[in-house]
Amino acid sequence: DIQMTQSPSTLSASVGDRVTITCRASQSISNWLAWYQQKPGKAPKVLIYKASSLESGVPSRFSGSGSGTEFTLTISGLQPDDFATYYCQQYNSYAYAFGQGTKLEIK
Amino acid sequence: EVQILESGGGLVQPGGSLRLSCAASGFTFMDYAMTWVRQAPGKGLELVSLISSTGGTTFYADSVKGRFTISRDNSKNTLYLQMNSLRADDTAVYYCAKGQRTAVTNNWFDPWGQGTLVTVSS
Repeated sequence: DIQMTQSPSTLSASVGDRVTITCRASQSISNWLAWYQQKPGKAPKVLIYKASSLESGVPSRFSGSGSGTEFTLTISGLQPDDFATYYCQQYNSYAYAFGQGTKLEIK
Repeated sequence: EVQILESGGGLVQPGGSLRLSCAASGFTFMDYAMTWVRQAPGKGLELVSLISSTGGTTFYADSVKGRFTISRDNSKNTLYLQMNSLRADDTAVYYCAKGQRTAVTNNWFDPWGQGTLVTVSS
């Protein structure tokens, strides 16, 4: 099975900062990667699919990049609403896998 | 507007059974794969099961294989998860979510329902 490793597990940042979250796959997944945002007590919401495609309605400060085994989610100009937990998900194979999550906290 | 609403969660004893339902509206249900994803308290996301648009192909995580059964009724726009032989480590919020394709492969999931809590405890 493909394993997904996210880093860091926790990230402290301030409003206005630019932050990057990394997701690594244990083998190549081409660009079959999605990023989700989850707030406490709420369901996840997709931000990015196919590694770099922005979901409709998602602010343009969110961007994704990468292919193969290494991927990044970048948030440019953090807003108060962005403090949440972020998950990557590979969908290259039947054995879909999520990363363990990155909690973005206010510094 | 797409809406997804799970129901059927609750408290069940170890070894017991529970059936979750997921009612969908606002899209052509029969055209999309659907999934169940769970989240144990304070933990990350785990895909439990996935079903193709026709119901002809299913996928299960190793942790639930042989105990859980996913199914769908396209005439009722409803997805189900029959959970048998429940264990304490099945305790989680169970989310239903819409895939982006008819097949079980190459799907990301959006939108998700609000989730239903399953607690397995004596």
